[in-house]
Amino acid sequence: AQTVTQSQPEMSVQEAETVTLSCTYDTSENNYYLFWYKQPPSRQMILVIRQEAYKQQNATENRFSVNFQKAAKSFSLKISDSQLGDTAMYFCAFARTDYGQNFVFGPGTRLSVLP
Amino acid sequence: EADIYQTPRYLVIGTGKKITLECSQTMGHDKMYWYQQDPGMELHLIHYSYGVNSTEKGDLSSESTVSRIRTEHFPLTLESARPSHTSQYLCASSEYGSHEQYFGPGTRLTVT
Repeated sequence: AQTVTQSQPEMSVQEAETVTLSCTYDTSENNYYLFWYKQPPSRQMILVIRQEAYKQQNATENRFSVNFQKAAKSFSLKISDSQLGDTAMYFCAFARTDYGQNFVFGPGTRLSVLP
Repeated sequence: EADIYQTPRYLVIGTGKKITLECSQTMGHDKMYWYQQDPGMELHLIHYSYGVNSTEKGDLSSESTVSRIRTEHFPLTLESARPSHTSQYLCASSEYGSHEQYFGPGTRLTVT
């Protein structure tokens, strides 16, 4: 069975600074998907970024980028130029490529961006 | 934001009452999910569905039941609410062939 670990329950960062959220996972699969989801306080969970394991290039979405280390089974999220609106719970998630399989979510990291 | 809706957004109800949490999506997605999110914010899958007339139990045992009579609708029912059911319930959906899940805004349930 797959597991996802986020070792940082809470983090804080000053506005405009850069922060990195950690995620490690365990799987015997060779191909899979990894995601970072963001859940702002009292608001809807939204997808931040996704990575396909067969792609060596790290995914980027504006200020958000990942450091995907397949051999180490590590998938960290870097947020550059942090903004107050980045304050949220961040969940790392794993999905196998066969559609029938469900997501495995990590326990989440609560990020606070300080003014 | 994705077109997935949940009602009510907040519900306070007494012990023993029957409740139904509604979830609808307008994207025509095949697969739908219900998650329970505890105070620590961790997500637990309690039910999912591959399509009409398909329902499966998730990783976390739940006293709730679900139905999927229409593609767009996936309600969750608690026959007799208890304080232990107090939690946030998130509905999500995904399209066949896509591994991205779209989430609703959630229902925060309090059972007194």
